[in-house]
Amino acid sequence: NAGVTQTPKFRVLKTGQSMTLLCAQDMNHEYMYWYRQDPGMGLRLIHYSVGEGTTAKGEVPDGYNVSRLKKQNFLLGLESAAPSQTSVYFCASSEAGGTEAFFGQGTRLTVV
Amino acid sequence: AQKVTQAQTEISVVEKEDVTLDCVYETRDTTYYLFWYKQPPSGELVFLIRRNSFDEQNEISGRYSWNFQKSTSSFNFTITASQVVDSAVYFCALSVVYNFNKFYFGSGTKLNVKP
Repeated sequence: NAGVTQTPKFRVLKTGQSMTLLCAQDMNHEYMYWYRQDPGMGLRLIHYSVGEGTTAKGEVPDGYNVSRLKKQNFLLGLESAAPSQTSVYFCASSEAGGTEAFFGQGTRLTVV
Repeated sequence: AQKVTQAQTEISVVEKEDVTLDCVYETRDTTYYLFWYKQPPSGELVFLIRRNSFDEQNEISGRYSWNFQKSTSSFNFTITASQVVDSAVYFCALSVVYNFNKFYFGSGTKLNVKP
């Protein structure tokens, strides 16, 4: 049982480049989330989805877009990367009703 | 609005010492859940415990124990007889059921256990 899988694990981008982070879960969870982790700031919610075909903004959505065309996948896009987007990105999924979130292994993104 | 505060940025202890990590939360909702996650140096997030707002019983799991007090909005985590393998960043988090189970994380406490 793979749980939550993120692709890629590491990436270096030049300012202005675009990329897509892929998150896949095999637990049939309805809810999926993208967080970013920065030193001293914990994890902050970028976007989330409460079901296939739905997305919503979180705490820090600017500069990112998401899509959830299939229930098991949640994509995070950066259209024009900026150095401020250098961070570790975590995808998570959960069931409804106060259950714990299951996290992927993280993607370390550096924008130069 | 929801908020989680972990005032201790970094703690260093010597192996076998007991250590308590503090967590204070804010929410106006009456139905919520509190969590602790561990992030070892390898970087993954490991779930440790979940408590709901209606259950203030303390919980013990081996060397780990958790103290939930609604009166002070705190959910503290104690490690007894710490070990080097406990060295990690620990995050406290809050989720509100009626807000799509979104998680609100504290800034984390880095625990260094020295041999």
